[in-house]
Parts: sequence; structure tokens; C-alpha cells
Amino acid sequence: GAVVSQHPSRVICKSGTSVKIECRSLDFQATTMFWYRQFPKKSLMLMATSNEGSKATYEQGVEKDKFLINHASLTLSTLTVTSAHPEDSSFYICSASIRGNEQYFGPGTRLTVT
Amino acid sequence: QQQVKQSPQSLIVQKGGISIINCAYENTAFDYFPWYQQFPGKGPALLIAIRPDVSEKKEGRFTISFNKSAKQFSLHIMDSQPGDSATYFCAASPYAGGTSYGKLTFGQGTILTVHP
Repeated sequence: GAVVSQHPSRVICKSGTSVKIECRSLDFQATTMFWYRQFPKKSLMLMATSNEGSKATYEQGVEKDKFLINHASLTLSTLTVTSAHPEDSSFYICSASIRGNEQYFGPGTRLTVT
Repeated sequence: QQQVKQSPQSLIVQKGGISIINCAYENTAFDYFPWYQQFPGKGPALLIAIRPDVSEKKEGRFTISFNKSAKQFSLHIMDSQPGDSATYFCAASPYAGGTSYGKLTFGQGTILTVHP
């Protein structure tokens, strides 16, 4: 149980284009979803917290117009990287929780912007 | 005050040995302390977690020791195996109710290598 999927697993896009990453909780309804960014050999950096039907809460220093988060249902959250640039290349990971501390992580999405 | 400091950065252990990774925190509002295992190119997977009302929790070969007064907690991997070679992250979060939603603060990570 408690499986979280992400799609796509890898994406390559050209500079200036937008990319959407989906995060789904497959066998449970997630009250809260989180989006993280991870650089090579570094820790996870929380980008934003989102709850179904409400606006995401972004961490300090994360541009909300750059990283658009939509939490349309209790099983789906999307992260759209708008006007992507090479510095946005990273490993993006989502997680989901059910009214508690325990977070279940997705497998991650590797974004490369050329 | 939100930081979680993890050490060592890397650790090499022989098969069958004990791997020990330590974390320290400052925020006394933290009340949930999980450990995650991450393999290259994959998302983190929850290994074991503890709350401050107990000093130790064991699940199979994995044990968390928790020292509330020192604000420290550690992961012990007994009988370490080559398949345990991965990056380990400690984390901490406050109570999940209210507006915190249980946001996790991660340690810097420890790269564990277990030699056969």
C-alpha cells in the first residue's frame, strides 16, 4: 500500500518551454502533497506544500510563478516548470501524506533543460 | 533552528558490521523523526521512524536510538549487507496538525558503502 507514482520519469526539454510533472497517489487519498527538488549528491529541498482544492504554500526563495502547482484532486498533484532554463535541471520528487507525518515518496522525475 | 545536522557524510563498513549514522536537531517543536533510504535515481523510501516518547525503536536490522535531552537521534544498521549500500537521510517534522502539515526537514545525507 501507499504507492506514489510520478510521470514522466525523465524529460528533456528545450530552454524556454514548459514542462508538467504529475504526481499520483495510487491506492490512497492524500490530504497533502509535497514537492521537493534534489541536486546531485545533495539532500532534498522542499519547494512547496499543497492541499487539495487550495493554493500551494511555497518555501522561501521558490518562485511560485516559475513552479506552478495544482492539486486538483486527492490523488493528483502537478508541478509545471514554466519557461524552463538549464538551471532548472534537477531531480524533482513528490510525496503524499494521509493526515499525518508519514510521507510516501514518488520515484522522482529527472528534468534536463537544454 | 530548522536545521537537522547529519554525520558522517560518508561511511564505509564491512559486510556483517554495524553502520551508525547520527543526527542532531535544535527545534524542540519537532516530534517525528524518520529515516529514509535512497538508491541512485530513485525516490526516498521510509525505513523506520520514531516519536520522542520512546528512546529506541527496532525493526529488523534497523534501530533508531533517540535522546530527547541531547536532541540527537541515530540509525543503527546491524549485520550490514552490500544491498544496504545507499544514501540515508534523517529527517524531522513538527506535529502534522494545523498549518505545518508535517513538513519534513532533511539532514544532509550519508552515503553508505558496505563492502562484501
